Amino acid sequence: QKEVEQDPGPLSVPEGAIVSLNCTYSNSAFQYFMWYRQYSRKGPELLMYTYSSGNKEDGRFTAQVDKSSKYISLFIRDSQPSDSATYLCAMRVEAGSYQLTFGKGTKLSVIP
Amino acid sequence: DAMVIQNPRYQVTQFGKPVTLSCSQTLNHNVMYWYQQKSSQAPKLLFHYYDKDFNNEADTPDNFQSRRPNTSFCFLDIRSPGLGDAAMYLCATSSEDRDNQPQHFGDGTRLSIL
Repeated sequence: QKEVEQDPGPLSVPEGAIVSLNCTYSNSAFQYFMWYRQYSRKGPELLMYTYSSGNKEDGRFTAQVDKSSKYISLFIRDSQPSDSATYLCAMRVEAGSYQLTFGKGTKLSVIP
Repeated sequence: DAMVIQNPRYQVTQFGKPVTLSCSQTLNHNVMYWYQQKSSQAPKLLFHYYDKDFNNEADTPDNFQSRRPNTSFCFLDIRSPGLGDAAMYLCATSSEDRDNQPQHFGDGTRLSIL
């Protein structure tokens, strides 16, 4: 079993839809959770960073962490064609641990 | 405003011919990382520098080396590139003087091997 599982997609949604992206993990030591967006031929861009269970909102993006279920989600409201990208979840065990464990990424297409 | 800058964006080299990729940062972060990312895969950490201390991942091939002459710059040297080394190479930085800071990535160098 991989430490972080993420459905690779591809996921296609119409413009304006609510998108739900998810990752599950097996290591209960993970404490810090990130979502990165990666456009084709670009580096990962940090979208959300959180370390506690619950929701964190930033504009159209909401990150949700459920440590008891070892499950994290990223919700995108009012999706736009410019949201079309690969979304990577990543996590680390503690401050001072430099190793990020990534999911494989979910490829999202938002159709106009 | 690019904060982690990688050069070149695209690099073509011949099988076995040494190649150097560069990364610079304007964030004054004390940790710099090199990742390898192959198509449709997650980034794979090769090594990182905490200040001047070099930390190699156990499964990073000896063919890969790194240099960090100062806080702002870090280089990835591939001594004898093989066809399997064709990939996107990502540089990232983080500040570990303040706890819990995430990593910030550059746009990568796409390496092709002829």
